[in-house]
Amino acid sequence: EDQVTQSPEALRLQEGESSSLNCSYTVSGLRGLFWYRQDPGKGPEFLFTLYSAGEEKEKERLKATLTKKESFLHITAPKPEDSATYLCAVQVWTGTASKLTFGTGTRLQVTL
Amino acid sequence: EPEVTQTPSHQVTQMGQEVILRCVPISNHLYFYWYRQILGQKVEFLVSFYNNEISEKSEIFDDQFSVERPDGSNFTLKIRSTKLEDSAMYFCASSGGTGVPGELFFGEGSRLTVL
Repeated sequence: EDQVTQSPEALRLQEGESSSLNCSYTVSGLRGLFWYRQDPGKGPEFLFTLYSAGEEKEKERLKATLTKKESFLHITAPKPEDSATYLCAVQVWTGTASKLTFGTGTRLQVTL
Repeated sequence: EPEVTQTPSHQVTQMGQEVILRCVPISNHLYFYWYRQILGQKVEFLVSFYNNEISEKSEIFDDQFSVERPDGSNFTLKIRSTKLEDSAMYFCASSGGTGVPGELFFGEGSRLTVL
């Protein structure tokens, strides 16, 4: 069974205090690893897809990296508007469609 | 920017009633999905739909659930006889356009409350 574990469950940072979120996974036939941002009461907002170990992608203050067993989302000098839940999901190709298995997320709060 | 739109944003229903949730996927996408998120829990896969048929479904997606693409733009999720445990946020998603391969775009969700 595909499993995705995210840590920590919650993280409180001061503005400008950099940190990393972890996503470890076990899956057979990984097609891609996705990071999403979710604000309260909203749908997941796509951030990154990583397809192979060693790959890195950046967007503003966020950088995602991937190894064979885990992914990190690095947040550099965060701002209060980065406060959200960050979801990691592994994508498996079933033959006719992709299916995402999500982790429980890391709830990030950035304070002034 | 193209987006997935869902209606209604919130629906309250009595246990045993039928509910239809509606979605308009991104226009050039070929794959359509429903996911759900019970309050405080993880986002869970329900069903994927391609070429006018279900391509994959989870164990949650039992006989009470059905999906349909009644025309060229809408994608619906029907729950025939709602139960209390169906209360959740239901997200529609689509993929398969000219963007990042496999990237799923989600709608804002439909919150279903079963009383």
